[in-house]
Amino acid sequence: SAVISQKPSRDICQRGTSLTIQCQVDSQVTMMFWYRQQPGQSLTLIATANQGSEATYESGFVIDKFPISRPNLTFSTLTVSNMSPEDSSIYLCSARQGLAGKDTQYFGPGTRLTVL
Amino acid sequence: ELKVEQNPLFLSMQEGKNYTIYCNYSTTSDRLYWYRQDPGKSLESLFVLLSNGAVKQEGRLMASLDTKARLSTLHITAAVHDLSATYFCAVDSEGGGADGLTFGKGTHLIIQP
Repeated sequence: SAVISQKPSRDICQRGTSLTIQCQVDSQVTMMFWYRQQPGQSLTLIATANQGSEATYESGFVIDKFPISRPNLTFSTLTVSNMSPEDSSIYLCSARQGLAGKDTQYFGPGTRLTVL
Repeated sequence: ELKVEQNPLFLSMQEGKNYTIYCNYSTTSDRLYWYRQDPGKSLESLFVLLSNGAVKQEGRLMASLDTKARLSTLHITAAVHDLSATYFCAVDSEGGGADGLTFGKGTHLIIQP
């Protein structure tokens, strides 16, 4: 199974600043995603990180707020821009790996963000 | 819009008892995932159910999928305290996963001695 690491594991940020979260997978994967999990809530998909092209965003999420890069098959970044306290959440990187039709999706340890 | 509903959302049970968590989803999907999350931790993949009638078992947990009823179940047999966690089901969005997963709200399970 894919092993996913994220940096930073947690951060406390001031309102109006931006934070970039890095995600590294230990092997090549077909798809990478970013999710948000607000305290005590379920996971919500932010976007699919596409290699070499613009990410595909879910309804309610926009590129200006959450720019995403994926320069290669094993690395992606998510930036949370112009942060407000409402952005306090856990951000999880995810990757899909396996044979077509039998693949599964693995999750990184998450980045716990607190915005003051 | 794909919706995934779990019930119950909260379950407190005693060790040794059996119980079932239900997961209903609103559109056709041939794959369903179950994850476990411990407090402050990330998600651990438990099962991937790939077809109608699929049944998978690992220890005291057994998951099944009925795509016609759009229903999956996670059955816990003779529960032990170590199974206390939050359990999520999730389904592929349209396109076989190209759009990521849609999650249920999770079932917070507490198993008491």
